[in-house]
Amino acid sequence: AQKITQTQPGMFVQEKEAVTLDCTYDTSDQSYGLFWYKQPSSGEMIFLIYQGSYDEQNATEGRYSLNFQKARKSANLVISASQLGDSAMYFCAMREGGIYNQGGKLIFGQGTELSVKP
Amino acid sequence: KAGVTQTPRYLIKTRGQQVTLSCSPISGHRSVSWYQQTPGQGLQFLFEYFSETQRNKGNFPGRFSGRQFSNSRSEMNVSTLELGDSALYLCASSLELKGLLGANVLTFGAGSRLTVL
Repeated sequence: AQKITQTQPGMFVQEKEAVTLDCTYDTSDQSYGLFWYKQPSSGEMIFLIYQGSYDEQNATEGRYSLNFQKARKSANLVISASQLGDSAMYFCAMREGGIYNQGGKLIFGQGTELSVKP
Repeated sequence: KAGVTQTPRYLIKTRGQQVTLSCSPISGHRSVSWYQQTPGQGLQFLFEYFSETQRNKGNFPGRFSGRQFSNSRSEMNVSTLELGDSALYLCASSLELKGLLGANVLTFGAGSRLTVL
């Protein structure tokens, strides 16, 4: 069954340092999409970055990059130069059903709470 | 442009009552999905509507229902509320371009926080 695992319930990082948030997934689909979302205490889920299973290069979006290792089924989020505003919950999510599937069903991990220290 | 709007933001109900939550998607978005978020179960998919039709449904009891209107606005209803229904209910909309290779990003609203006493 499809599943997302985030093994780090909470993490601390010093401001301006880089941090890696782990995500492993399990799926029998050959094509799928992987997402990272940020959820501040306000509750709104904010999209950060996307990686398609057939994308040959790791995705990058500003200070966010995704370390995608398909054989290991991992999709770790790397945040460079952490800022105080990065303190939030971070969720890894997957959409199965092929790369042309555009549906709204995502499977989410349990999340990692990141705290950035000044 | 305006984001996804959910109302009400907070509400308190008692067991046995029913509740209706509303979601206005981003203009032009035809797909609306609902999620329940609790500390114990995390984020769980409830259902998805596209062009007024339920396209997908999660593993929730029949007390949870929804609908979508012709303007893409969506409502979800929970009847006979139980204590375990206390949660943050998140709505997300997406543009969904058929044949698009790549991400169809869900844009979430701020959620409706339901407390059942």
